[in-house]
Amino acid sequence: DTGVSQDPRHKITKRGQNVTFRCDPISEHNRLYWYRQTLGQGPEFLTYFQNEAQLEKSRLLSDRFSAERPKGSFSTLEIQRTEQGDSAMYLCASSSGQGGTDTQYFGPGTRLTVL
Amino acid sequence: QKEVEQDPGPLSVPEGAIVSLNCTYSNSAFQYFMWYRQYSRKGPELLMYTYSSGNKEDGRFTAQVDKSSKYISLFIRDSQPSDSATYLCATGAGHNAGGTSYGKLTFGQGTILTVHP
Repeated sequence: DTGVSQDPRHKITKRGQNVTFRCDPISEHNRLYWYRQTLGQGPEFLTYFQNEAQLEKSRLLSDRFSAERPKGSFSTLEIQRTEQGDSAMYLCASSSGQGGTDTQYFGPGTRLTVL
Repeated sequence: QKEVEQDPGPLSVPEGAIVSLNCTYSNSAFQYFMWYRQYSRKGPELLMYTYSSGNKEDGRFTAQVDKSSKYISLFIRDSQPSDSATYLCATGAGHNAGGTSYGKLTFGQGTILTVHP
């Protein structure tokens, strides 16, 4: 399978705990994006990387959230001191970043439930 | 006001019907437009991608963009039960000289479509 993969697919945690998600993009895609999707809403942009550089962060990404892409390949998204409002689907997407055709391909998502 | 507005539906149609899904957007900087399909508890899957005003056809799907009125549509002909999903419109600003906001997508709320046999 050469698509975007995410791990874990589901995560249940208690309020106040830290969680970390992983995303493996399509091979050789240099752009990687994180989005958050709550029930009944479209995905909302969180942040994106070009290679290992984090180029943009949304205001949705509070200080409790941190994303990394240390070697320009896989990425991790960590949420510290989780809150019930963090419950959502966290989606990762990647693209080749070629010219204006920045087609983004999404992974299956990690569904987070904070109790 | 959200930058991209989409009627959430739900929309229920009989098999074989023509389906029309619509979005409006407010930001003139948006240059490219996409439709994604999302099945329950799955990630979005790209259906159509277009830059310019006009129509783009792919099989039973036609994407239509009117930049003058900031209106985008997706038409599905001969709808099938397997088309039952949430359809998301998305827009992007594309590259600019400052190199910011490149690639970030802004999504509509999604329209839930059910095609019944």
